[in-house]
Amino acid sequence: SQELEQSPQSLIVQEGKNLTINCTSSKTLYGLYWYKQKYGEGLIFLMMLQKGGEEKSHEKITAKLDEKKQQSSLHITASQPSHAGIYLCGADRPSGSRLTFGEGTQLTVNP
Amino acid sequence: SAVISQKPSRDICQRGTSLTIQCQVDSQVTMMFWYRQQPGQSLTLIATANQGSEATYESGFVIDKFPISRPNLTFSTLTVSNMSPEDSSIYLCSVERLAGDSTDTQYFGPGTRLTVL
Repeated sequence: SQELEQSPQSLIVQEGKNLTINCTSSKTLYGLYWYKQKYGEGLIFLMMLQKGGEEKSHEKITAKLDEKKQQSSLHITASQPSHAGIYLCGADRPSGSRLTFGEGTQLTVNP
Repeated sequence: SAVISQKPSRDICQRGTSLTIQCQVDSQVTMMFWYRQQPGQSLTLIATANQGSEATYESGFVIDKFPISRPNLTFSTLTVSNMSPEDSSIYLCSVERLAGDSTDTQYFGPGTRLTVL
């Protein structure tokens, strides 16, 4: 089965610092999704990547999918307290549209 | 994207009772899913809610414990039956393939936080 590993598991940064979260798959990724979850709440869709080498940005968040389509990174520039939360990567299953998720990265941004 | 609501947003229940969670979408969607997120863990897919037919359950989840209904393209319910403290989780519905959406992006509801005493 598809397994996704996220690193780091948790991250504490000072406001204004840049940071990167990684998501590594044991198999080729057919679709890679990044979500943000605030504690105890639902998931907010951030970005979806499908093509090897693809890169997308939204405001200060950039996500990339490597050429081999087995690793994705999420980069936040000049972090703010509003970026705090749990970041989850999810991947399409080859057999269908259901998602498998990584364990999540807990981000804390200190003012 | 779609506006997805869930009711209740949270509940505290007694062991042995059942709780039905509702998921309502503001537009027709092809696919609806139910996930569980146990404390401190990531999401696990429970089942795919199929409109007009029985839900498709993932390994480890059964219909007797988690009966699901999907009477139309905008609404689904998940029941957590005969609850035990191990069922304490956040339950999330998600949708995919909104009308006019050519992507396979899944959008999630706000979740229902369930605590079983």
